[in-house]
Amino acid sequence: QVQLQESGPGLVKPSGTLSLTCAVSGGPISSSHWWSWVRQPPGKGLEWIGEIYHSGSTDYNPSLKSRVTMSVDKSNNQFSLRVTSVTAADTAVYYCARVSWVGDNLYYFDLWGRGTLVTVSS
Amino acid sequence: DIQMTQSPSSLSASVGDRVTITCRASQSISNYLNWYQQNPGKAPKLLIYAASSLQSGVPSRFSGSGSGTDFTLTISSLQPEDFATYYCQQSYSTPRTFGQGTKVEIK
Repeated sequence: QVQLQESGPGLVKPSGTLSLTCAVSGGPISSSHWWSWVRQPPGKGLEWIGEIYHSGSTDYNPSLKSRVTMSVDKSNNQFSLRVTSVTAADTAVYYCARVSWVGDNLYYFDLWGRGTLVTVSS
Repeated sequence: DIQMTQSPSSLSASVGDRVTITCRASQSISNYLNWYQQNPGKAPKLLIYAASSLQSGVPSRFSGSGSGTDFTLTISSLQPEDFATYYCQQSYSTPRTFGQGTKVEIK
């Protein structure tokens, strides 16, 4: 079955760049799914960061759009997230998730990675 | 952005209890509403999509209802593994937004 696994540095300095990768195993990233990032600050709720299709099409949360870039690496069956100019407010568990979009606005996150904690601190 | 508001923020219940969680959208979202369960230290898990469709493998004690702006998640008979935090999420428009969560605790 398809599995997702996040990886990347657990500590990033303020004003630096957060970079994470989500490896997709058990199935091709070039399927009919979109691929998303969601984050959760410690003790708080979930925030959608954005999503990407294997064609490279993206949709970002306007609240983060100026600092976020997502990309797809089809040869390695993975997708990535970059967040620039990070502050302590970006400290969170970052999840990658698979999106099932079955028509109109029938859209949901049906598969999640385990998540990785990224701390922004000097 | 569409704001999602859940109530209550937390509740205490016993095994076997019937539990209802409410989610209200700031504008009509038709039936484009999903529910997730999150256990401590774990990733969220999809329970219900399109307001009332049960995700494959999810026990039938979970059910969802509602349309427009008001939605409910019901657990018909609470089991020990159901003590967790529950989130609603709208898929009507971007940005995708979640409710603040409802924590179900053991009484």
